[in-house]
Amino acid sequence: GQQVMQIPQYQHVQEGEDFTTYCNSSTTLSNIQWYKQRPGGHPVFLIQLVKSGEVKKQKRLTFQFGEAKKNSSLHITATQTTDVGTYFCAGTKTTDSWGKLQFGAGTQVVVTP
Amino acid sequence: DGGITQSPKYLFRKEGQNVTLSCEQNLNHDAMYWYRQDPGQGLRLIYYSQIVNDFQKGDIAEGYSVSREKKESFPLTVTSAQKNPTAFYLCASGPHYAGYTFGSGTRLTVV
Repeated sequence: GQQVMQIPQYQHVQEGEDFTTYCNSSTTLSNIQWYKQRPGGHPVFLIQLVKSGEVKKQKRLTFQFGEAKKNSSLHITATQTTDVGTYFCAGTKTTDSWGKLQFGAGTQVVVTP
Repeated sequence: DGGITQSPKYLFRKEGQNVTLSCEQNLNHDAMYWYRQDPGQGLRLIYYSQIVNDFQKGDIAEGYSVSREKKESFPLTVTSAQKNPTAFYLCASGPHYAGYTFGSGTRLTVV
């Protein structure tokens, strides 16, 4: 089963509002990555976090990696219609000798004008 | 421009037929991956290859086969043993520590 869990599965947001999506792992991760997939498109890499407690910002998007390196969050402020899509987190288990990414099931974001 | 090219974009397979999906990259990446995407299930790893002439099974390899004879190419064959092949197939390349680059995908439908 999925070892990286994302919540919520769906997120309906009014344009201009903020929202947060969460990513939780049952095991410690060496890194966490976030991808965005527009409807009908393919995943596009957004960012990577590697340090415990790390916070990174990309314009209206704020990404955080938990202190225990088992969870992460993506916070979007002042949502726009261009934010529509599915956001995936993906992490590499520290116990994995090579390090292939485990993807979450994604949070599908719908923005209402 | 560097990138990953997947072809065809749409593919229809008859029952009992093998089909091959193409994936070519010019990013000079050693590692390449095949994922299957079904609604609500995210991305599931089928096969991956860290280097030419070597590949490993992912989480759902049954009914699929791959080859890696060239660094640039990582074709995926969906065999007749795959009982539910209708899905969106994504090829990716890149190191796990720096973000993957994905192709635009192939939508496979069984008819």
